[in-house]
Amino acid sequence: KNEVEQSPQNLTAQEGEFITINCSYSVGISALHWLQQHPGGGIVSLFMLSSGKKKHGRLIATINIQEKHSSLHITASHPRDSAVYICAAITGNQFYFGTGTSLTVIP
Amino acid sequence: EAQVTQNPRYLITVTGKKLTVTCSQNMNHEYMSWYRQDPGLGLRQIYYSMNVEVTDKGDVPEGYKVSRKEKRNFPLILESPSPNQTSLYFCASSPPGLWAYEQYFGPGTRLTVT
Repeated sequence: KNEVEQSPQNLTAQEGEFITINCSYSVGISALHWLQQHPGGGIVSLFMLSSGKKKHGRLIATINIQEKHSSLHITASHPRDSAVYICAAITGNQFYFGTGTSLTVIP
Repeated sequence: EAQVTQNPRYLITVTGKKLTVTCSQNMNHEYMSWYRQDPGLGLRQIYYSMNVEVTDKGDVPEGYKVSRKEKRNFPLILESPSPNQTSLYFCASSPPGLWAYEQYFGPGTRLTVT
């Protein structure tokens, strides 16, 4: 049973396109976490949110608690955005991860 | 520089030979956690610690042990490794108020058990 589902699994976009990655979860959460995993394997946190919307540069994360759904948007995508994007639901003190969305942005 | 360090970064070992992967953070974070990442399964939480001497099981704790004797260190111990523990392991830390703050990840340890 997957507590967290992401879609799509793979995504290819042209540079400049607007990108949306979706995350649905089935558990009650304290917060939702978006992560980026670089091609070299390193993982960085992008957002932690429990309601509403957060923005950092060209990245925007939204969450709808009632619908148990979160989205990560990338505006004006760039080849350097190519990475795997992972969402994680935080319930209690534990993390449950989606399997990730592999994004490739073509120049 | 604020960071989480893991050692070793790469390890090839044989079934049954005890090993320890170290994790250390220099940010005075209270929460620390271990994850494994496998193709098709994504990241899964092994153990986590809310503070010194406080540890708890995550989703996949079987075959692993942890200890938290100091705030900065959170080693992962495989007492009798098996091939199904071949994986990429990440350590992470976070300030208190887990749901408010992002996690900082170590660089990963790639373990192969033959």
